Amino acid sequence: ELKVEQNPLFLSMQEGKNYTIYCNYSTTSDRLYWYRQDPGKSLESLFVLLSNGAVKQEGRLMASLDTKARLSTLHITAAVHDLSATYFCAGENTGTASKLTFGTGTRLQVTL
Amino acid sequence: DGGITQSPKYLFRKEGQNVTLSCEQNLNHDAMYWYRQDPGQGLRLIYYSQIVNDFQKGDIAEGYSVSREKKESFPLTVTSAQKNPTAFYLCASSIGPRGRKNTEAFFGQGTRLTVV
Repeated sequence: ELKVEQNPLFLSMQEGKNYTIYCNYSTTSDRLYWYRQDPGKSLESLFVLLSNGAVKQEGRLMASLDTKARLSTLHITAAVHDLSATYFCAGENTGTASKLTFGTGTRLQVTL
Repeated sequence: DGGITQSPKYLFRKEGQNVTLSCEQNLNHDAMYWYRQDPGQGLRLIYYSQIVNDFQKGDIAEGYSVSREKKESFPLTVTSAQKNPTAFYLCASSIGPRGRKNTEAFFGQGTRLTVV
């Protein structure tokens, strides 16, 4: 059974700083997903990482996947207040049915 | 516009009452999912369906029931057997098994259920 762990659970950072959120998963996962959730809102898809070594970037966010280490990272460059949200990674249980297993989330707070 | 629509946005349930949450999608997706989110926590899978007329239990199915009579619709019933139903419920859909290269899930806006 796939288990997904994120750390840190909470991150307070100043504007302009860089930081990385880590996502470890327990068994083979074909794909890794990153989502953003604003308070009281739904989940917005950020990145889909489909293979080992995949790297995707959108603005100040960059996600990568290392399937051998069973690790994905979400790197934040020069944080701005608008990035304050909760970020979830999710791994995919493949086989007879495809379903996502989510980490507990990282609540990011960017302060001025 | 294509998307996933959940209703209602807010729902109040009395003790011992069954309530049904609606989820409709017009994305032509085969797979649909129901997740529960408790405050400050991640998402836990309740039920999922890969095709019409078929569905599977997720990690926390007890006290819930679903049906999948149409491709577009996947309603969730929270029964009186669910002892702690207060939570945020999210419905999602994805292409499903035929989308082997990318099974990205898209989410509805959620239903916040409160027991009164």
